[in-house]
Amino acid sequence: DQQVKQNSPSLSVQEGRISILNCDYTNSMFDYFLWYKKYPAEGPTFLISISSIKDKNEDGRFTVFLNKSAKHLSLHIVPSQPGDSAVYFCAATAGYALNFGKGTSLLVTP
Amino acid sequence: ETGVTQSPTHLIKTRGQQVTLRCSSQSGHNTVSWYQQALGQGPQFIFQYYREEENGRGNFPPRFSGLQFPNYSSELNVNALELDDSALYLCASSRSDRVGNSPLHFGNGTRLTVT
Repeated sequence: DQQVKQNSPSLSVQEGRISILNCDYTNSMFDYFLWYKKYPAEGPTFLISISSIKDKNEDGRFTVFLNKSAKHLSLHIVPSQPGDSAVYFCAATAGYALNFGKGTSLLVTP
Repeated sequence: ETGVTQSPTHLIKTRGQQVTLRCSSQSGHNTVSWYQQALGQGPQFIFQYYREEENGRGNFPPRFSGLQFPNYSSELNVNALELDDSALYLCASSRSDRVGNSPLHFGNGTRLTVT
């Protein structure tokens, strides 16, 4: 039973524009939400997180928005750069385990 | 600061065999978690070790077992390998067993192929 869903397998964006990656979850007990980025042949790298008591967290070009009533979060990347091309995983936790979505493959074209 | 390292990087085993995967955690981290990532899927939680004890377990059978050593390195053992065990196995370490406010740092994984 998938508790975290990323419904877009892929996304293509032009360099300099905004990338928006979406994620939905079902478990109301999740208290932290995280985004990881993964390049081929490497492990996932932590990008940004947000606590369930907040609705926005920003770190440089990356902003995560949380809508608890809709059980939805999104990652905004502004401006997008070719080096951002990777698979992005949304994850949620209520303690010791991360529950991952299936990932969205982002391609940023020059 | 040394990151999480895993060995071997690739492994081919035959159905029914046993395998041991190894992981060295990042310096300063006392918690190790293992995840399985099948092709086209997100990583799935196998278990977490904190202070050398299994601290939590995902939906994996008992033939998946682990160890954490006093230096916080870890092993994942899988007995009676099945074809469906073919996957990327990821080790991750963190400063706390609560992984929300102490994010996991992942190694590059071990690619296991079972034939």
